[in-house]
Amino acid sequence: KNEVEQSPQNLTAQEGEFITINCSYSVGISALHWLQQHPGGGIVSLFMLSSGKKKHGRLIATINIQEKHSSLHITASHPRDSAVYICAVNTGNQFYFGTGTSLTVIP
Amino acid sequence: DTAVSQTPKYLVTQMGNDKSIKCEQNLGHDTMYWYKQDSKKFLKIMFSYNNKELIINETVPNRFSPKSPDKAHLNLHINSLELGDSAVYFCASSQDLQYGYTFGSGTRLTVV
Repeated sequence: KNEVEQSPQNLTAQEGEFITINCSYSVGISALHWLQQHPGGGIVSLFMLSSGKKKHGRLIATINIQEKHSSLHITASHPRDSAVYICAVNTGNQFYFGTGTSLTVIP
Repeated sequence: DTAVSQTPKYLVTQMGNDKSIKCEQNLGHDTMYWYKQDSKKFLKIMFSYNNKELIINETVPNRFSPKSPDKAHLNLHINSLELGDSAVYFCASSQDLQYGYTFGSGTRLTVV
């Protein structure tokens, strides 16, 4: 079993829809990261969280340390949001990655 | 200016060869990483260097050796390449383990 589990694995949405991607982890962490990998392969670090909530534009990330769960929300989704979203956790000296959620936003 | 740059972007080579992938960051970050992304798109950390000291060494074959001549560079040398080494290799850097990090654009290695 992977230390980091993401759901769903694949997600298709209509433009404008509100999207939620979930991440659950089984290890003690010092921080959780959300990454975005575009179809061209480049990876961008979206958020680093250790508690609470962060917002950047249409993206919102939340974390519940007690429940070992994080969510990434995208409001008013757009086709350019189509990408793979990866959850990663840092235990202090190791990183574990989820297998990613492939998001396709249809115009 | 590119913050984390990797070269080459594509590398096709025969089994048994030795190859290197270079990584440089101009962000002044203390820590640099190498990740491998396999054909199933699963990312796995390989190495991490902090101020030229190896601080993570996941269970990768010893054919893979990271080399850090200074804080701004972390090169990946691979000996006796095997078919299973085919993957995309990403370099990244961060100020320390607690902060978000910046990725390079990846090197697609194909071993034939």
